[in-house]
Order: sequence, then C-alpha cells, then structure tokens
Amino acid sequence: NAGVMQNPRHLVRRRGQEARLRCSPMKGHSHVYWYRQLPEEGLKFMVYLQKENIIDESGMPKERFSAEFPKEGPSILRIQQVVRGDSAAYFCASSPPGQGASPLHFGNGTRLTVT
Amino acid sequence: GENVEQHPSTLSVQEGDSAVIKCTYSDSASNYFPWYKQELGKGPQLIIDIRSNVGEKKDQRIAVTLNKTAKHFSLHITETQPEDSAVYFCAALFDYKLSFGAGTTVTVRA
Repeated sequence: NAGVMQNPRHLVRRRGQEARLRCSPMKGHSHVYWYRQLPEEGLKFMVYLQKENIIDESGMPKERFSAEFPKEGPSILRIQQVVRGDSAAYFCASSPPGQGASPLHFGNGTRLTVT
Repeated sequence: GENVEQHPSTLSVQEGDSAVIKCTYSDSASNYFPWYKQELGKGPQLIIDIRSNVGEKKDQRIAVTLNKTAKHFSLHITETQPEDSAVYFCAALFDYKLSFGAGTTVTVRA
C-alpha cells in the first residue's frame, strides 16, 4: 500500500511565478491536510479538505494561496505570484474517513525555493 | 486554538542512555497526542500516539505518558541508538486539527 505521494520533491520558482504542489493521499483516505514547515520550525496547519470540499482553510493566507481536492485526481496546493517568504517545505497528510486527524500519515514533502 | 510547547529544543545523549522530551498543551478538550520522528529530507513519521483515556503507552524502546490534569505529555526513548538521531515533534488534536510543537533535535553520540 503506497504511502502519501507528493510531487515534485523540489520546486524552484522565480518571484512572481506560480507554484503547483500535488498530493495523492493513501489509498482509501478521503481527508487531506496541508502543512507548511519553515527551516528549523514546526509544522503549521494550512488547510483541511475532503473530496470536493474545503473544510477549514483558516491557516492559509487569504491571498495568492488556494487548495483543492477534486473528486478525481490529486489534491493541489496552488501559490500564485510567489515571493521569497513562500520558500518552505510543504507537507501533505491524509487520514481515512471517520478518523479526522488521528492518525495523520505524511508524505515526504515538496521543498519550494523562490529565487 | 490549541497551543503546544515542546522542550528541549535540542538534546544530545550518549548511546545507550535515555532521552526524554516534554510537551504541554493549552486546550483541555484535546484528546489525541501523537509523536512524530522526522529525518533529514523526509516527512514526519508517526512513531507512537496516546489517547486521553490512557495514561501511558509503550512500544519497545519508546514510551509516552500523559497527564491530563497538568496538560502535559512526554516521550521517553530508552537505550538510545545512533538511528534515533532525528527531529521529534509532539502534537495535540483539537477540533480535528493537529497542532505541533516546535520540535526537538536529538543527537545520539556513539
């Protein structure tokens, strides 16, 4: 059973470009969470999605950031007009239906570098 | 929201000794407390978890204790080995979201 798959592993963007990060949850999981990790810091919650629904986006900046989890295909975290401060590791996690975040299974992340 | 504090931020131990990491949380409604291990370049990996109806849980060399009254929980690693070197994160579940501590970098000296 494959784990949570994230791609790309590394992404370099110039300021002003768009970044698209993809996450395929574990098989059978319908809950997806996105977290951001700055260097030498903990993980900060960004958004919680279920299939076709955003449940909680309270941790996501109001501008330039968006997330989706369509009926078919991976979850996408999209960052428009990236700035240097967006450089971080972005982790996706998934959990089965009915269990919320207990437990969460994480992918290996996408490391975004904005030049 | 939930606020989780973790101490110490760094911990160096001699191989074979024990390591203890402590966390406190703010919201008494939190009921699930996992611990994650993160190695360089990888995502966090769940190593042990405990629910609020249990005071202690053990899995081989790893144990976790929970004191709900004091709102703190701890990770204990016994007989440390070089492969235990990593960053460890505690977390608390509140309102279906996990809030994480800032992490402890554990170094096991051979």
